[in-house]
Amino acid sequence: QVQLVESGGGVVQPGRSLRLSCAASGFTFSHYGMHWVRQAPGKGLEWVTVISYDGSKKHYADSVKGRFTVSRDNSKNTLYLQINSLRLEDTAVFYCARDSESAGYGDIPGIVNSHFDYWGQGILVTVSS
Amino acid sequence: DIVMTQSPDSLAVSLGERATINCKSSQSLLYTFNSKNYLAWYQQKPGQPPKLLIYWASTRESGVPDRFSGSGSGTDFTLTVSSLQAEDVAVYYCQQYHSTPRTFGQGTKVEIK
Repeated sequence: QVQLVESGGGVVQPGRSLRLSCAASGFTFSHYGMHWVRQAPGKGLEWVTVISYDGSKKHYADSVKGRFTVSRDNSKNTLYLQINSLRLEDTAVFYCARDSESAGYGDIPGIVNSHFDYWGQGILVTVSS
Repeated sequence: DIVMTQSPDSLAVSLGERATINCKSSQSLLYTFNSKNYLAWYQQKPGQPPKLLIYWASTRESGVPDRFSGSGSGTDFTLTVSSLQAEDVAVYYCQQYHSTPRTFGQGTKVEIK
């Protein structure tokens, strides 16, 4: 069965960096676009970034552009999110999520416009001094 | 960016009664080339990740009870729970996947009256 397992979270001081990982199993990871979505405590869902199936295309929310970098290693079935210059407002649970469809229309070539059919359990990042 | 606005922010419904959540997008989510509305609904219970309920605005995900239904087209969409059960207490989110960045509504909290 499809599984997505995040790791790498914790308590970090403002200005420091962190790398989150999302280990995928149960499907052909290299066929699907992947996303990161975050949720601040008691708040709603905020889409963060998407990466195409082969890692060649990426797109970020304006709120994280320049500080967050998404990447993937298809040989290891793992998705990453590098977060630099952490801010207090980055405190959130970070979820990785899979595009439901591996092919179809995309407003960005190489990235399919699809809903998210599988989500990880989430990993908490707390930014605190 | 497409802005998604849900209403109401919260609602309390008696067990067995109907719950209706609305979602409005700032631009049409319908692509005419395939006649599909790029709109999904998710359910999130406390301490859990979101769970896909509905996609293409009205297609129920496998395993989702048929008391959940989605409707609408263009910019106006509705999630209906026909007969609310205790296990349906959750926050519900709509999401557009018509354009990148993908955006979510602010969420609607459903409780038992």
